Amino acid sequence: GAVVSQHPSWVICKSGTSVKIECRSLDFQATTMFWYRQFPKQSLMLMATSNEGSKATYEQGVEKDKFLINHASLTLSTLTVTSAHPEDSSFYICSARGQPFNYGYTFGSGTRLTVV
Amino acid sequence: AQTVTQSQPEMSVQEAETVTLSCTYDTSESDYYLFWYKQPPSRQMILVIRQEAYKQQNATENRFSVNFQKAAKSFSLKISDSQLGDAAMYFCAFSSPNNDMRFGAGTRLTVKP
Repeated sequence: GAVVSQHPSWVICKSGTSVKIECRSLDFQATTMFWYRQFPKQSLMLMATSNEGSKATYEQGVEKDKFLINHASLTLSTLTVTSAHPEDSSFYICSARGQPFNYGYTFGSGTRLTVV
Repeated sequence: AQTVTQSQPEMSVQEAETVTLSCTYDTSESDYYLFWYKQPPSRQMILVIRQEAYKQQNATENRFSVNFQKAAKSFSLKISDSQLGDAAMYFCAFSSPNNDMRFGAGTRLTVKP
């Protein structure tokens, strides 16, 4: 079945530094990848949608300069949290969608980011 | 804009019994898909069941089935013969071919032995 690998699974960084999270589709070509943020005991909130080879589309209220998304290939999307602050601490999940659409969505295992 | 509503923050069921989780949605699109995802403490999102809007027959996956009422925009999940391993957060989700996936607020299911 479709597998999405997300790394790292957890990361602790100092305030002011940048962190990169990778999301890879291992056995299918992901034409579209999504990045979600999940606070404790809350639902998944879409941050941005990225299509291979084009700029990401950010949801309202998401700072595109803070959350840099790159989708350079059909199997890899990255989310870079720049100049991280404690309020950026959260659980970040990626998902990938291949073609045809009814192939469905596959989720990565998530990354727990803690900014100290 | 699409919205997904789960009105039950928490539900509880006795082991081996049946429980139904509710979900309603709002959309103006005609071609869309509905999903139920399970999120255990590991936080990995696990697809439980999927329903294509154009299909009238309700989807079924072993002990999991849905009651899809398109006119009422309702999509409930029934879990039969509940097991301890079914305890988790359950999210109802909506998507369409050219759009992203949107989630409800979730329902925390507890299974009592």
